[in-house]
Amino acid sequence: GAVVSQHPSRVICKSGTSVKIECRSLDFQATTMFWYRQFPKKSLMLMATSNEGSKATYEQGVEKDKFLINHASLTLSTLTVTSAHPEDSSFYICSAGLGQGVNGYTFGSGTRLTVV
Amino acid sequence: AQSVTQPDIHITVSEGASLELRCNYSYGATPYLFWYVQSPGQGLQLLLKYFSGDTLVQGIKGFEAEFKRSQSSFNLRKPSVHWSDAAEYFCAVAPNTDKLIFGTGTRLQVFP
Repeated sequence: GAVVSQHPSRVICKSGTSVKIECRSLDFQATTMFWYRQFPKKSLMLMATSNEGSKATYEQGVEKDKFLINHASLTLSTLTVTSAHPEDSSFYICSAGLGQGVNGYTFGSGTRLTVV
Repeated sequence: AQSVTQPDIHITVSEGASLELRCNYSYGATPYLFWYVQSPGQGLQLLLKYFSGDTLVQGIKGFEAEFKRSQSSFNLRKPSVHWSDAAEYFCAVAPNTDKLIFGTGTRLQVFP
């Protein structure tokens, strides 16, 4: 089946530094990838939709200059949290689409980001 | 605006007991409907989905869900819960083919 690998699973960084999270589709090509943020005891909030070869589409309220998304190939999308602050600490999850719309979404295992 | 409501934040059941997790949605038409499960610190696994047709949907791990248009509901059920079912459960809707909207989740705790 379709597998999405997300790396790293956990990262701790100092305030003011940048952190990159990778999302890879291992056995399929994903034209569309999605980035979610999950606050403690809260639901998943869609941050942005990443389309291969084009700019990401950000949801309202998400700072595109702070959360940089790159989808340079059909198997890799990256989320970079720039100048991270403690309030950026969260669980970030990516998902990749098989080109079948929501029918074919597969989720990564998530990244726990802690900014100290 | 589209929304998904999971009225139960936390449910505790005994192992072997039956389970029903509630989900209601707000949308003008019938959206695509999903249930996902998330173990602690993990991503999401799809349990089942409804697009059209038979309103009783069978999923993995012995779960099923029933779509009731009149109630705008898509409740998840399992006749006998196992300790390994303890997790966070999310209902999600897709108003179109591109975007998932998640409910706030229900944490299931299973006592032996």
